[in-house]
Amino acid sequence: AQTVTQSQPEMSVQEAETVTLSCTYDTSESNYYLFWYKQPPSRQMILVIRQEAYKQQNATENRFSVNFQKAAKSFSLKISDSQLGDTAMYFCAFMKLNTGNQFYFGTGTSLTVIP
Amino acid sequence: SQTIHQWPATLVQPVGSPLSLECTVEGTSNPNLYWYRQAAGRGLQLLFYSVGIGQISSEVPQNLSASRPQDRQFILSSKKLLLSDSGFYLCAWSVQGENNEKLFFGSGTQLSVL
Repeated sequence: AQTVTQSQPEMSVQEAETVTLSCTYDTSESNYYLFWYKQPPSRQMILVIRQEAYKQQNATENRFSVNFQKAAKSFSLKISDSQLGDTAMYFCAFMKLNTGNQFYFGTGTSLTVIP
Repeated sequence: SQTIHQWPATLVQPVGSPLSLECTVEGTSNPNLYWYRQAAGRGLQLLFYSVGIGQISSEVPQNLSASRPQDRQFILSSKKLLLSDSGFYLCAWSVQGENNEKLFFGSGTQLSVL
């Protein structure tokens, strides 16, 4: 079974500063995808960033970047120049590549950006 | 473009009553479909997924069932709700095999069982 662990239930950051959210996962699969999703107070799930396990290069999307360490099974999210709109719950997710593509989520990190 | 519709947005049901939540996807064919539950203050738990009409896989044993009567329709049901069924239910879809795997979510249903 795949497990995804987010060890930081809550975090806060000053506006314009940088924050890193941690995620580790456990799998015996060699090929898979990793994701970070954002859930703002509206509760709509929004894809932030996606990483393919066979790519060594870390994914980046504007102010969002990841540090993917495959051997360590670690997938952290770095948010640069934090904005008030970044306040949300952030979920790390693992996707097993097979028929059905099951996605497994961590318990989330609640991030508050302080003005 | 693809869209996903999920309804109702909010539902209050008494213990022992039946449940039917519906989800439809537009703008894509043969999607993988999923039901997740988010308990208060917790992560998303995968309940069911489906790769085609009539094909349902359950991730956890529970009081709920799922059906896929049409390609882009996914239904979550219960014959008798329990208090522990309360939560935020999310329908989602993905497309397999296009090297663009990602999960798209509906807007969710907040279910309160009283």
